[in-house]
Amino acid sequence: AQTVTQSQPEMSVQEAETVTLSCTYDTSENNYYLFWYKQPPSRQMILVIRQEAYKQQNATENRFSVNFQKAAKSFSLKISDSQLGDTAMYFCAFMKIQGAQKLVFGQGTRLTINP
Amino acid sequence: NAGVTQTPKFRILKIGQSMTLQCTQDMNHNYMYWYRQDPGMGLKLIYYSVGAGITDKGEVPNGYNVSRSTTEDFPLRLELAAPSQTSVYFCASSYSQAPNTEAFFGQGTRLTVV
Repeated sequence: AQTVTQSQPEMSVQEAETVTLSCTYDTSENNYYLFWYKQPPSRQMILVIRQEAYKQQNATENRFSVNFQKAAKSFSLKISDSQLGDTAMYFCAFMKIQGAQKLVFGQGTRLTINP
Repeated sequence: NAGVTQTPKFRILKIGQSMTLQCTQDMNHNYMYWYRQDPGMGLKLIYYSVGAGITDKGEVPNGYNVSRSTTEDFPLRLELAAPSQTSVYFCASSYSQAPNTEAFFGQGTRLTVV
């Protein structure tokens, strides 16, 4: 079974700073997807960024980028030039490609951006 | 675009009562999921479905049942509600073929069992 671990329950930074959220996972699969989801106080789950394990290049989406280390089973999210609207819970998630594509989540990191 | 629609948004149940949480999606996704999120915690998978007529248990299935008679609908049934089932419930759907594997979520149902 796959597991996803986020070791930082809470983080807090000042507006405009850069912050990195950590995520590690455990799997015996070779091909899979990794995701970062954002959950603001509205409770809505919003996809931030996606990484395919077979791609060596790290995914980027505007101010959001990942550092994907397949051998280390690590998938961190970097938020550059943080904004007040980035305040939210952030969840790392894993989905294997072969067989049943269950989406497995980590425990989440509560990120607060201070003015 | 409606996406994934869950009803109701809020519900209070008494211990021992039953209810069905409704979920429908209009994106023709083959995968559908039910998750629960306890306060300050991540999402735990209750049940999932890979297509109409096929369902399987997730991490925390006890006390719940599901059915998938159509591609669009994936209701979650709570029988004999217990306080431990107080949680926020999310329905999600996804398409299994790359590159469109993103999961789309409903707005969630906050359920309180008293």
